[in-house]
Amino acid sequence: GAGVSQSPRYKVAKRGQDVALRCDPISGHVSLFWYQQALGQGPEFLTYFQNEAQLDKSGLPSDRFFAERPEGSVSTLKIQRTQQEDSAVYLCASSPRAGVPPEQYFGPGTRLTVT
Amino acid sequence: QKEVEQNSGPLSVPEGAIASLNCTYSDRGSQSFFWYRQYSGKSPELIMSIYSNGDKEDGRFTAQLNKASQYVSLLIRDSQPSDSATYLCAVTILTGNQFYFGTGTSLTVIP
Repeated sequence: GAGVSQSPRYKVAKRGQDVALRCDPISGHVSLFWYQQALGQGPEFLTYFQNEAQLDKSGLPSDRFFAERPEGSVSTLKIQRTQQEDSAVYLCASSPRAGVPPEQYFGPGTRLTVT
Repeated sequence: QKEVEQNSGPLSVPEGAIASLNCTYSDRGSQSFFWYRQYSGKSPELIMSIYSNGDKEDGRFTAQLNKASQYVSLLIRDSQPSDSATYLCAVTILTGNQFYFGTGTSLTVIP
């Protein structure tokens, strides 16, 4: 079956621009996570959705970062007024279970470069 | 203090040898433990999960968990060049929905 998909795969933004990153989870998956992975680092948690509810956004680094999942399926991570330190790969993961899911399935990621 | 610590490596082993990857975590409330493999430029893929003390084997992979020592390891037997990748340790904390990842250990299997 189809896995987690993300678009665009690559995004170059000039500093100060707004960007929107899309995640299509596996159909029927309840939980959705966003992570930020800098070069040479492990993924850093950003936010978690259970269906359409954003239950944890403690990892969002600033108020420039905003995520939504209005219908409990597709999610969008928006970054306003991008800064160079926002350059990273943004990974989306989904899981069929709610609460603290044991297994996450990752998408291919969106590589954001801010110039 | 980082939640999850891994030796970044690189770790090099000859083909056919056992590769041993180690991970320590700081929060005693951690309840679930995972090993992900990440090839260069690709997304992480789950290879092992473990929830209770002891060993868990799956093919050439064995995960070992020692909650008293706050230590989890991954053994790869009969290592193959295709095992060359970065291995990420991840834990979930009892009180939250977050996964904490280590920085990963880079493994190279030499033919």
